[in-house]
Amino acid sequence: GAGVSQTPSNKVTEKGKYVELRCDPISGHTALYWYRQSLGQGPEFLIYFQGTGAADDSGLPNDRFFAVRPEGSVSTLKIQRTERGDSAVYLCASSLMGGADTQYFGPGTRLTVL
Amino acid sequence: AQSVAQPEDQVNVAEGNPLTVKCTYSVSGNPYLFWYVQYPNRGLQFLLKYITGDNLVKGSYGFEAEFNKSQTSFHLKKPSALVSDSALYFCAVYNYGQNFVFGPGTRLSVLP
Repeated sequence: GAGVSQTPSNKVTEKGKYVELRCDPISGHTALYWYRQSLGQGPEFLIYFQGTGAADDSGLPNDRFFAVRPEGSVSTLKIQRTERGDSAVYLCASSLMGGADTQYFGPGTRLTVL
Repeated sequence: AQSVAQPEDQVNVAEGNPLTVKCTYSVSGNPYLFWYVQYPNRGLQFLLKYITGDNLVKGSYGFEAEFNKSQTSFHLKKPSALVSDSALYFCAVYNYGQNFVFGPGTRLSVLP
């Protein structure tokens, strides 16, 4: 079956601009996660959705970052007033029910802020 | 707070030899432990996980991992390495009420 997909695969933007990153989880998965991976590091948790609601957004670094999942499927990560330090690969993962269920990852979106 | 350590940034092994990629963790309670592999320009792929029961867990592509509670370790192993196993490997830990925490990764190079 189809895995997790993310668009775009690459995004280059200028400092101060607004960007949206999209994630399509595996069909039927209620849990969706966003991570950020900087070069040479492991994925860093940003936010977790259970259905339509953000169950845990404690990993969002500041109020420039926001994510939605209005219908409990596709999710969008939104970054306002981008900064060069936001440059990273943003990974999305989904799991069947959350908790200790195995997370399945998308290929990621590489964001470059010039 | 949970944490995961992968003490080796890089592991080199000759093709056909056994490989070990080390992982130690710190978590209160009973952990759930995972290994993922990441190939260049790809997302993380699930290899195996430990939830409970047998301490030796078998996973994809001939990999296995041994949970050692007294040493708080979950080392990844394979009896005979392939060149195609060369990739970045991540250990992760989960505990109820917390989030997945990933280690920094270990780059495995299998030399022909």
